[in-house]
Amino acid sequence: EDKVVQSPLSLVVHEGDTVTLNCSYEVTNFRSLLWYKQEKKAPTFLFMLTSSGIEKKSGRLSSILDKKELFSILNITATQTGDSAIYLCALFFYNQGGKLIFGQGTELSVKP
Amino acid sequence: GAVVSQHPSRVICKSGTSVKIECRSLDFQATTMFWYRQFPKQSLMLMATSNEGSKATYEQGVEKDKFLINHASLTLSTLTVTSAHPEDSSFYICSASRGAPNEKLFFGSGTQLSVL
Repeated sequence: EDKVVQSPLSLVVHEGDTVTLNCSYEVTNFRSLLWYKQEKKAPTFLFMLTSSGIEKKSGRLSSILDKKELFSILNITATQTGDSAIYLCALFFYNQGGKLIFGQGTELSVKP
Repeated sequence: GAVVSQHPSRVICKSGTSVKIECRSLDFQATTMFWYRQFPKQSLMLMATSNEGSKATYEQGVEKDKFLINHASLTLSTLTVTSAHPEDSSFYICSASRGAPNEKLFFGSGTQLSVL
């Protein structure tokens, strides 16, 4: 069974803190690892990672993939209350019709 | 950008009734659509892969007779929850990509199903 494990499952921080969210996995036959932010309804795309060791950045968010150690991290610096959401990582399987297998998600709550 | 429309956004039904949820790709053809279920405080669990013109592929543990999927056209997939029970209450969401399988997936806005 494909398995994606995220940690922590929930996290409460104060504005201005930096957080690191973890995503580990057990399979290697995926094409890419994706990070999403989910606030109320549909997930919003954040990053797509395909190569190991190359950091992707977007404003205060950054992410990197380690294919040797089978994990990815999502960093958020100078957190704001608007960062409060569930953060999901998922593996994309091209050779299985393009399906996504998601981790359990990390629920981040940023307090003012 | 491409849009996936999902209806209804919210439905409340009595136990034992069937509920149909529609997922439409508005400006592109989707040969494959995916259906997910999400319980409160949990992640999106893939239920099935909907293939246009053929049978859906269900994930392990998902009852195909309970969750009927029809993908009769390149722009519409439907999920019917048959004989719904309170434990089927959940958030259901679909996704699709334009053309060949790729990471640029478009999600519907989801359907919150509450079975009384």
